[in-house]
Amino acid sequence: DTGVSQDPRHKITKRGQNVTFRCDPISEHNRLYWYRQTLGQGPEFLTYFQNEAQLEKSRLLSDRFSAERPKGSFSTLEIQRTEQGDSAMYLCASSLAPGTIIEQYFGPGTRLTVT
Amino acid sequence: SQQGEEDPQALSIQEGENATMNCSYKTSINNLQWYRQNSGRGLVHLILIRSNEREKHSGRLRVTLDTSKKSSSLLITASRAADTASYFCATDFISGSARQLTFGSGTQLTVLP
Repeated sequence: DTGVSQDPRHKITKRGQNVTFRCDPISEHNRLYWYRQTLGQGPEFLTYFQNEAQLEKSRLLSDRFSAERPKGSFSTLEIQRTEQGDSAMYLCASSLAPGTIIEQYFGPGTRLTVT
Repeated sequence: SQQGEEDPQALSIQEGENATMNCSYKTSINNLQWYRQNSGRGLVHLILIRSNEREKHSGRLRVTLDTSKKSSSLLITASRAADTASYFCATDFISGSARQLTFGSGTQLTVLP
């Protein structure tokens, strides 16, 4: 396992469509994070899993967004009824942190364009 | 909203020169991390400095932390064209049951050959 992978790398969709992204973390990592990054800005936290439990959700995560990590391994992020404002890079990260926060390992991201 | 702010927003230097980027944050932290992001790619962790540390080195990187001023700096010595990237500081704060990272808006560094 060489790192965090994300699929697809790019997604173009029309407004109103649903999209789903997948993240495969580093295999032994129990924590998985989703971030959103818009042009010229740093990543903004969306949600966080420890194993299969979703422990934290940002106010940025509207009702149209849902994330799952069913078996504590890969995770999916779904956006329903996409809007142009959803256009961004969606980054996934993982870490192995039993207690204190340490560095996170990021995937290459999925760039979403909503037309 | 972003917790940290990097300064400058953009920096252009010649290869071989040193590059200094600054980060300011708002709330008390446990540690501060610096990440690098090449254009259109994911972030790569560079260095972590804990709140009880004042300075840390890693290769050509030197990080300082001043918790009284809520600021940090990243120095890249003897820069190379391959150092061209965006650099972000990230701080952690306790939120609910977990700790999450909050990133600044980044400094875009361009190293000219």
